Amino acid sequence: LAKTTQPISMDSYEGQEVNITCSHNNIATNDYITWYQQFPSQGPRFIIQGYKTKVTNEVASLFIPADRKSSTLSLPRVSLSDTAVYYCLVGDPGSYQLTFGKGTKLSVIP
Amino acid sequence: NAGVMQNPRHLVRRRGQEARLRCSPMKGHSHVYWYRQLPEEGLKFMVYLQKENIIDESGMPKERFSAEFPKEGPSILRIQQVVRGDSAAYFCASSPASGTGDGQPQHFGDGTRLSIL
Repeated sequence: LAKTTQPISMDSYEGQEVNITCSHNNIATNDYITWYQQFPSQGPRFIIQGYKTKVTNEVASLFIPADRKSSTLSLPRVSLSDTAVYYCLVGDPGSYQLTFGKGTKLSVIP
Repeated sequence: NAGVMQNPRHLVRRRGQEARLRCSPMKGHSHVYWYRQLPEEGLKFMVYLQKENIIDESGMPKERFSAEFPKEGPSILRIQQVVRGDSAAYFCASSPASGTGDGQPQHFGDGTRLSIL
């Protein structure tokens, strides 16, 4: 399983764009990159998943450079309700053992 | 996290008692996974089940812990003779098929917070 490194915490003001970068230098050819969001006292919630280039949905965008050794989750115009822990996961799509690190604790400030 | 239902949300047990945690997967999902989360830590995989079968229990402690997913009813994670170190949040996830890629992520419930007195 590819090891991931992401900042422990980040602060942002409401209305700003937030970019959380995850490093995964030993990502394998078959690995996908998946991001989950977890609020206090709740389970992780799937945000977005990608393999290369750019993926966008109604919640976020995921940017993956050509070498795929890192990825950036972009949250547009964050609000207080985006305060949560964000996890970057890397793994083979056939793998069912999700490996969660400590994640990035995002605090959105009014 | 609507869809995967876990109960109870909070469970308090005394040392030596048994804890039973229940999980009903999302409709149409036949694969269930259990994870454990300690405070300030990420989730750790415990076990993967399909109906009436344990596929992978490599993350389960060798003693006192067991899991099942019967043909009818919810999946059960059972902890016998609980100890203080079992205090954690236990999350269940489900998916329509195995794997996490290609648009089939695992969907999580809101967990059961187990406290051991």
